[in-house]
Amino acid sequence: DQQVKQNSPSLSVQEGRISILNCDYTNSMFDYFLWYKKYPAEGPTFLISISSIKDKNEDGRFTVFLNKSAKHLSLHIVPSQPGDSAVYFCAASADDYKLSFGAGTTVTVRA
Amino acid sequence: DTEVTQTPKHLVMGMTNKKSLKCEQHMGHRAMYWYKQKAKKPPELMFVYSYEKLSINESVPSRFSPECPNSSLLNLHLHALQPEDSALYLCASSQKNGLGLTDTQYFGPGTRLTVL
Repeated sequence: DQQVKQNSPSLSVQEGRISILNCDYTNSMFDYFLWYKKYPAEGPTFLISISSIKDKNEDGRFTVFLNKSAKHLSLHIVPSQPGDSAVYFCAASADDYKLSFGAGTTVTVRA
Repeated sequence: DTEVTQTPKHLVMGMTNKKSLKCEQHMGHRAMYWYKQKAKKPPELMFVYSYEKLSINESVPSRFSPECPNSSLLNLHLHALQPEDSALYLCASSQKNGLGLTDTQYFGPGTRLTVL
């Protein structure tokens, strides 16, 4: 069963504008959420994470928002840059070793 | 430094071959992972080692055999693979701080495996 869902398979955004990626989850036991960025034929690169005790975490151009009541998180990238073009995976964990990944969203930043 | 290294970068093998994938980290992490990733799919967990002991095997076929020689190294031994095993194999590590808290997994660049 798909416990983490990224319902938008792709997103196209103009350079300099905001990219908003969304992720929904079903398991209320998840307490740690992460975003990874992946280029083709490379391993995922950790971007940013958030614990369930917070509702926002910011790191440079990247901000993750968590809405526990809605079981929803989002990643904001501001401003978007051409190097941000990649696949973004949302992942969640329930205090163990296993990460549940979403299917990924392909972001294309247009010049 | 959050680097996980993997060798080789690419591997082509026949169905009767025996080969090994290697992973190394020097971050002092005590948990190490093997994942398999098919194109346009998320990574799928295969094995987890915690403090050099196998703690999770996600019902992986025995033609994949993991080994953790020490806290910095993780191997994946391959034997009698099938063409459908062709994928990107990813290694990851995490700190496992012993507080029962989830921590961040850092991934290596992967080994692109092709089984002929």
